[in-house]
Amino acid sequence: EIVLTQSPATLSLSPGERATLSCRASQSVSSYLAWYQQKPGQAPRLLIYDASNRATGVPARFSGSGSGTDFTLTISSLEPEDFAVYYCQQRSDWYSFGQGTKLEIK
Amino acid sequence: EVQLVESGGGLVQPGGSLRLSCAASGFTFSNYWMSWVRQAPGKGLEWVAKIKPDGSEKYYVDSVKGRFTISRDNAEISLYLQMNSLRVEDTAVYYCARENHSFDYWGQGTLVTVSS
Repeated sequence: EIVLTQSPATLSLSPGERATLSCRASQSVSSYLAWYQQKPGQAPRLLIYDASNRATGVPARFSGSGSGTDFTLTISSLEPEDFAVYYCQQRSDWYSFGQGTKLEIK
Repeated sequence: EVQLVESGGGLVQPGGSLRLSCAASGFTFSNYWMSWVRQAPGKGLEWVAKIKPDGSEKYYVDSVKGRFTISRDNAEISLYLQMNSLRVEDTAVYYCARENHSFDYWGQGTLVTVSS
């Protein structure tokens, strides 16, 4: 089983700042990594697939990078609607999700 | 517009059964693998099961093997999850999701509560 570890658990930032979220896999997942955003009471929303491809309708301020075991989701300039929980997910060996990073307003 | 709408959740006693449904629209349902993903209250996401477009292949997470059955009806454009021998730890919001490089569309979820 591939374990995904996200850091930090909580990130406190202000609107306009840059956010950098990390996801580390216990073994290589190649580029088969996705990022999701989830707001309270809502379903997850796909942001990034295959490490660096933005999903349909996702603003350009969201970008993904990495391969192998280390991945990053970057939000270049935070908007008020970006404060949420973010999950990474791999599809290299079945499926697993990270435990989430909560992005909160400072 | 792609839409996935789940139904069938509710309160059930341990050992009981429940059948979840997911009605799809806005895309060619019969072309896509479909999955169920669940989220326990206040917890993270867990993939549960997936099914091939023609229904010929089905896969499950170990914790539900032998208890849950995923199925689909492409004529009815619907996905199902039959859940038997339910346990307290199956309590979660259950989402149906379309697979396309990852889970690109999700339903709003249906809550299953297993409690005596």
